Amino acid sequence: EAGVVQSPRYKIIEKKQPVAFWCNPISGHNTLYWYLQNLGQGPELLIRYENEEAVDDSQLPKDRFSAERLKGVDSTLKIQPAELGDSAVYLCASSIGTSGGTDTQYFGPGTRLTVL
Amino acid sequence: KQEVTQIPAALSVPEGENLVLNCSFTDSAIYNLQWFRQDPGKGLTSLLLIQSSQREQTSGRLNASLDKSSGRSTLYIAASQPGDSATYLCAVRPENYGQNFVFGPGTRLSVLP
Repeated sequence: EAGVVQSPRYKIIEKKQPVAFWCNPISGHNTLYWYLQNLGQGPELLIRYENEEAVDDSQLPKDRFSAERLKGVDSTLKIQPAELGDSAVYLCASSIGTSGGTDTQYFGPGTRLTVL
Repeated sequence: KQEVTQIPAALSVPEGENLVLNCSFTDSAIYNLQWFRQDPGKGLTSLLLIQSSQREQTSGRLNASLDKSSGRSTLYIAASQPGDSATYLCAVRPENYGQNFVFGPGTRLSVLP
């Protein structure tokens, strides 16, 4: 069974440019997460989807970040315009989505963004 | 607000040693706690998931314990190997914050041959 797929793996852009990341979760997983991970720190949640609905986007900087999950499967995270401080690894994860928060999360390899 | 800390930040041991990694969380109202492994440039791999009603979980040379009331978890690695070198992160799923995990900063482990 394929794991969580993310692309691109690496992206280098100049500040003020737009950038987009793509995630394909494990088949059958209803819940999808986007995390941001800075060097030497643990991941921080940006947004969580239950099927196609964004149920928690409280940590997403909505002035420049946006996300969508079409048909409750693939998801795209966009930054426009990018700032120097956005340089980080962006991780996507998925889980089956059982009630009570008992299921485990499976992570993709991440996209390493460098903003120059 | 739930906060998760991990001690030590980094650890270097010779091959064959048994070792313990520590995780502390400030709010004991959690659904579960999960230990992950992260290799350089890679995503996170789940190692062990402990439900709030459980005291420990074991997988091979790994044993994770949970003391919910004191806000602590430990990951015990027996007979460490160079292949165990990675960053180990713990994450808790608080009862009051939906299904979102809160991660610790991780412990970077180096096992020397």
